[in-house]
Amino acid sequence: GAVVSQHPSWVICKSGTSVKIECRSLDFQATTMFWYRQFPKQSLMLMATSNEGSKATYEQGVEKDKFLINHASLTLSTLTVTSAHPEDSSFYICSATLGGTQYFGPGTRLLVL
Amino acid sequence: EDQVTQSPEALRLQEGESSSLNCSYTVSGLRGLFWYRQDPGKGPEFLFTLYSAGEEKEKERLKATLTKKESFLHITAPKPEDSATYLCAVQAGSSNTGKLIFGQGTTLQVKP
Repeated sequence: GAVVSQHPSWVICKSGTSVKIECRSLDFQATTMFWYRQFPKQSLMLMATSNEGSKATYEQGVEKDKFLINHASLTLSTLTVTSAHPEDSSFYICSATLGGTQYFGPGTRLLVL
Repeated sequence: EDQVTQSPEALRLQEGESSSLNCSYTVSGLRGLFWYRQDPGKGPEFLFTLYSAGEEKEKERLKATLTKKESFLHITAPKPEDSATYLCAVQAGSSNTGKLIFGQGTTLQVKP
């Protein structure tokens, strides 16, 4: 139980384009999901908290207009990186909460050329 | 300020050589302490949740313990497949969103 999926697992895009990443809780419903970013050999950095049916809460320093989050259902949250630039290249990981525990997706590696 | 510090940063063990990883924390009211395992290029995998001092949990070769200031992840007779980065995270009582504060992780390498 408590399986979280992400799609795509790997994406390459050109600078200036937008990329959408999906996060799904497969066998449970999650009112709260989280989006993280991870740089090589570093720990997870929380970007935003996504609540079903309401606006996301962004961490300090995260541009909400650049990283659009939509949590339209109890099993799906999406992160859209708008007008991506090479510095947005990173490993993006989502998590969904069940019983107070965060369960993580497998991650999405984004490379912006 | 809520903070989590893990030590050591990296640990190399021979197969069968038991050891412990440390997670020290300062938090305004601990709601829960979590241990995760992360393999390269993958998302963290949940291992344990500890809620109060004195609590212990075990899973195969891993045992997690908790005091008021720190948690230990004990690895007994590790195998090469235990090689991974182990992450510790705390959830503060002041957080009503379930937000986690992560440590920097300990990268464990177990050599055969």
